[in-house]
Amino acid sequence: DVKVTQSSRYLVKRTGEKVFLECVQDMDHENMFWYRQDPGLGLRLIYFSYDVKMKEKGDIPEGYSVSREKKERFSLILESASTNQTSMYLCASSSPFRLAATDTQYFGPGTRLTVL
Amino acid sequence: LAKTTQPISMDSYEGQEVNITCSHNNIATNDYITWYQQFPSQGPRFIIQGYKTKVTNEVASLFIPADRKSSTLSLPRVSLSDTAVYYCLVVISSGSARQLTFGSGTQLTVLP
Repeated sequence: DVKVTQSSRYLVKRTGEKVFLECVQDMDHENMFWYRQDPGLGLRLIYFSYDVKMKEKGDIPEGYSVSREKKERFSLILESASTNQTSMYLCASSSPFRLAATDTQYFGPGTRLTVL
Repeated sequence: LAKTTQPISMDSYEGQEVNITCSHNNIATNDYITWYQQFPSQGPRFIIQGYKTKVTNEVASLFIPADRKSSTLSLPRVSLSDTAVYYCLVVISSGSARQLTFGSGTQLTVLP
């Protein structure tokens, strides 16, 4: 059974803290994605990666960075958390085409981040 | 780039057929349309995917007109367990720009 895991289900941080969200997939997928999900806005793509050490900006990259040092792991970093980054963060992976709706994306359970 | 449009919410009764439409004016010409289902506290999961005309699997059908500017997810004889949020996913293109775009989601509530 395919599996995408995220390091935390719930996280509470203070404004200005550096925040790391980790995602691991066990399907040997090339593509990995970070989304944020807010009521009424659906899922918005923050960053995606199609290979180790490769990354591309999505729709809303401002205030975020990512790291992909190993194929199975994709990290989302909030350099200085702000209250408007309070949201649900979802990680996904897929294979093999880049930026295609064709590829089935497999999602993790999400991390609900609250920034106080 | 233009976005996708879905109804915010829909209510239905058990046993009815439900149709959810997603509008996507600038869909990429050579890409598929995919629909996902999301239950509370879970990530979205794949339901169905198609390129044109009609696709059917064990849980749903997907209708796509010839101009591909919209797609309709059809759930036959819904049950209470179909209560979820449904998202369409397309690639929106404009010139050389391509954007993987989820719709804003439709909350389907199935009533007994």
